[in-house]
Amino acid sequence: NAGVMQNPRHLVRRRGQEARLRCSPMKGHSHVYWYRQLPEEGLKFMVYLQKENIIDESGMPKERFSAEFPKEGPSILRIQQVVRGDSAAYFCASSQGLAGVDTQYFGPGTRLTVL
Amino acid sequence: GESVGLHLPTLSVQEGDNSIINCAYSNSASDYFIWYKQESGKGPQFIIDIRSNMDKRQGQRVTVLLNKTVKHLSLQIAATQPGDSAVYFCAEIPDDKVIFGPGTSLSVIP
Repeated sequence: NAGVMQNPRHLVRRRGQEARLRCSPMKGHSHVYWYRQLPEEGLKFMVYLQKENIIDESGMPKERFSAEFPKEGPSILRIQQVVRGDSAAYFCASSQGLAGVDTQYFGPGTRLTVL
Repeated sequence: GESVGLHLPTLSVQEGDNSIINCAYSNSASDYFIWYKQESGKGPQFIIDIRSNMDKRQGQRVTVLLNKTVKHLSLQIAATQPGDSAVYFCAEIPDDKVIFGPGTSLSVIP
C-alpha cells in the first residue's frame, strides 16, 4: 500500500512564474491537507480538501494560492506569480476520515525554491 | 489564540539513555494529540497519538504522557538510538487541522 505521493520533490521557479505541486493521497483516503514549512520551523496548515470540495482554507494566503482536489487525479496546490518568500517545503497529508478522528499521513514534500 | 510550543528547542542524549521531549499546548478544546518525527529531507512521520480521555499511552520504545490540568504533553523514548536523531513535533488537533509546535531537535551521541 503506497503512502502519500508528492511530485515533484524539488521545484525551482523564477519570480513571477507559476508553481504546481501535486499530491496523491493514500489509497482509500478522501481527505487531503496541505502544509507549508519554512526552514527550522514547524508545519503551518494551509488548506483542507475533500474530493471536489474545499473544506477549510483558513491558512491559505488570500492571493496567488489555490488548491483543488478533483474527482479524478491528484490534489493540486497552485502558486501563481511566485515570489522569493514562497520558497519553502510544501507537505501534503491524507487521512481516511476527519483529522480529529483519523491520523494524517504525510508525503515526502515538495521543496520549492524561487530564484 | 491557539498555539503549541516546546520547552526545549534542542536536546542531546547519549546513546542508550532515555529521552524526554516536552510540549505545552494552549487550546483547551484540543482532544487529540500526535507526536511526529521528521528526519532531514523527509515528511513528518507519525510516532504515537493520544486522546484526551487518556493520560498515558505506550508504543514500541515510546510513551506519551498527557497532563490536561497543565496542558502539557511529553514524549519519552527509551534506550535512545542513533536512528532516533530527528526533529520531533507535538501536534494538537482541535478540529479539522493539525497544529504543529515549533519542534525539538534530538541529537543522539554515539
